Amino acid sequence: DAKTTQPNSMESNEEEPVHLPCNHSTISGTDYIHWYRQLPSQGPEYVIHGLTSNVNNRMASLAIAEDRKSSTLILHRATLRDAAVYYCILKRGTDKLIFGTGTRLQVFP
Amino acid sequence: EPEVTQTPSHQVTQMGQEVILRCVPISNHLYFYWYRQILGQKVEFLVSFYNNEISEKSEIFDDQFSVERPDGSNFTLKIRSTKLEDSAMYFCATSRGSGTEAFFGQGTRLTVV
Repeated sequence: DAKTTQPNSMESNEEEPVHLPCNHSTISGTDYIHWYRQLPSQGPEYVIHGLTSNVNNRMASLAIAEDRKSSTLILHRATLRDAAVYYCILKRGTDKLIFGTGTRLQVFP
Repeated sequence: EPEVTQTPSHQVTQMGQEVILRCVPISNHLYFYWYRQILGQKVEFLVSFYNNEISEKSEIFDDQFSVERPDGSNFTLKIRSTKLEDSAMYFCATSRGSGTEAFFGQGTRLTVV
């Protein structure tokens, strides 16, 4: 399974944008980039996914580098409810999700 | 919004006992999964299930584990003879189709004593 690298933790203030980076230098052409998050004491929650083009949905935006070796999850205005562990996961020809340790995002009022 | 429902929310069992964890998938979903998360550790894939059979399983999913969808609605995970190290949060997840996003339940906390 292709590996991703994320910072252990990040901090933000409420209502500011947050950019969560992910490196995946060994990504292959068929790997989709998925982001999930896990709020405290809850199950993981799907955030967004993409292949090559940038993607937007109601929760976030995903910016994918042209060479696909990195991506950035963008929360446009962080709220206290966005405090969670964010996981960047590569999916290749399988439906299972391989979770790493993710980035713990703290949001301050 | 439709959701995956897991029962019970917390189960305490004695070592060596059998446990069954239950999950009600979202109604039009066809792919089902179990994951577990030992306290303070990563979420780990256990098994995926499609068309009434296991499609993929991890090394953790040994002969002590089994899954089934007995009545076409509930999706269950059975652990035949629990060990202390089976203590974890167990998450059920379901998805509409291959490659689509997975929806996770709130989890069952299993404590083996």
